[in-house]
Amino acid sequence: DVKVTQSSRYLVKRTGEKVFLECVQDMDHENMFWYRQDPGLGLRLIYFSYDVKMKEKGDIPEGYSVSREKKERFSLILESASTNQTSMYLCASSSAGQGSRELFFGEGSRLTVL
Amino acid sequence: KNEVEQSPQNLTAQEGEFITINCSYSVGISALHWLQQHPGGGIVSLFMLSSGKKKHGRLIATINIQEKHSSLHITASHPRDSAVYICAVPNAGGTSYGKLTFGQGTILTVHP
Repeated sequence: DVKVTQSSRYLVKRTGEKVFLECVQDMDHENMFWYRQDPGLGLRLIYFSYDVKMKEKGDIPEGYSVSREKKERFSLILESASTNQTSMYLCASSSAGQGSRELFFGEGSRLTVL
Repeated sequence: KNEVEQSPQNLTAQEGEFITINCSYSVGISALHWLQQHPGGGIVSLFMLSSGKKKHGRLIATINIQEKHSSLHITASHPRDSAVYICAVPNAGGTSYGKLTFGQGTILTVHP
């Protein structure tokens, strides 16, 4: 059974803390994505990676960074968490190639920043 | 960037009813995705279609490429179908690396 696993379902952090969200996929996918989901705004792309050590900014990268040292793992880092980063974070992966590819999502990580 | 509009935003139905959710997009695409999100978070892919119609159980997805429009139908709806349904299309232009633009989602509630 193919899987995208996010390390934490629920996190509570304080303003200014450094936060790591981890995502691992077991499908040997080239593409990995981090989205945040907020009511009324839908899913917005933060960062994505199309290969190991390769990353590109999405639509809302400010306040975030990412790391992809191994193909199966894509980490999202909040260097100094702020209350406006309270959100649901979703990791996804897809294979490379021509045309549209099915996207596989993790269960999500709900982050609350106090 | 591709613009995606879904309607309705909220939908309430009685068990057994036939349900339709619509999705329109602005730029020609290779394929359109329908996703389902149950309360609690996880999103699953229901369909990826580039033409015509696909069916899986009680779910049917259709797409009209010329009109840039897709519909998701649920026949004989059931309370377990209650979820958010999201339409997504590839970003327009350039090398997309599988990036998608998402609709706002349709919140479906099916009452027994």
